[in-house]
Amino acid sequence: EAQVTQNPRYLITVTGKKLTVTCSQNMNHEYMSWYRQDPGLGLRQIYYSMNVEVTDKGDVPEGYKVSRKEKRNFPLILESPSPNQTSLYFCASSPLAVSRTYEQYFGPGTRLTVT
Amino acid sequence: DAKTTQPPSMDCAEGRAANLPCNHSTISGNEYVYWYRQIHSQGPQYIIHGLKNNETNEMASLIITEDRKSSTLILPHATLRDTAVYYCIVRVGGGTSYGKLTFGQGTILTVHP
Repeated sequence: EAQVTQNPRYLITVTGKKLTVTCSQNMNHEYMSWYRQDPGLGLRQIYYSMNVEVTDKGDVPEGYKVSRKEKRNFPLILESPSPNQTSLYFCASSPLAVSRTYEQYFGPGTRLTVT
Repeated sequence: DAKTTQPPSMDCAEGRAANLPCNHSTISGNEYVYWYRQIHSQGPQYIIHGLKNNETNEMASLIITEDRKSSTLILPHATLRDTAVYYCIVRVGGGTSYGKLTFGQGTILTVHP
């Protein structure tokens, strides 16, 4: 089954303790992206990747890192989490083409709480 | 990308058609209209998209006015499982920033028994 998976689905952590949220897709998509969703603010893009070893900042990249060493994986790294990073996080992927925009496939979400 | 305006909420009876409007009066000629929905904090789900012609797939129909300044998403026979937040997104097809989706507040559709 074609899907985007995220782990963990739920995480409660403390301020400053490094964490990684994994994202994996089995559709051989070039494009992957991370969003965060907060009440009243909608979904906002954190980082995106056009292909292996190609990443760029979205609208709210501060406090986050990403890497794309393999095509299928796009982990989101919080080096020193803070309470304002408490949010619902979504990973998404899609094929890549210059001439058109493909629909994006979203993962199930990771609910992160930083105390 | 053009800005969109959607009603904050709508109701629909189960089995009836749900018609969700979206205004995008500043849309450019190369911008597409996309619809996604999000069911209770799950990942957003793609529904349909179009440029200027009406489109239909297994989930819904998309009607775009001739001047392209507004569109309507139609769920022909709404079910309780269609209760969700529906997002209308306008963006350029392809290009260098093609991947980013700008989600607004969307329309909360509630389907009643």
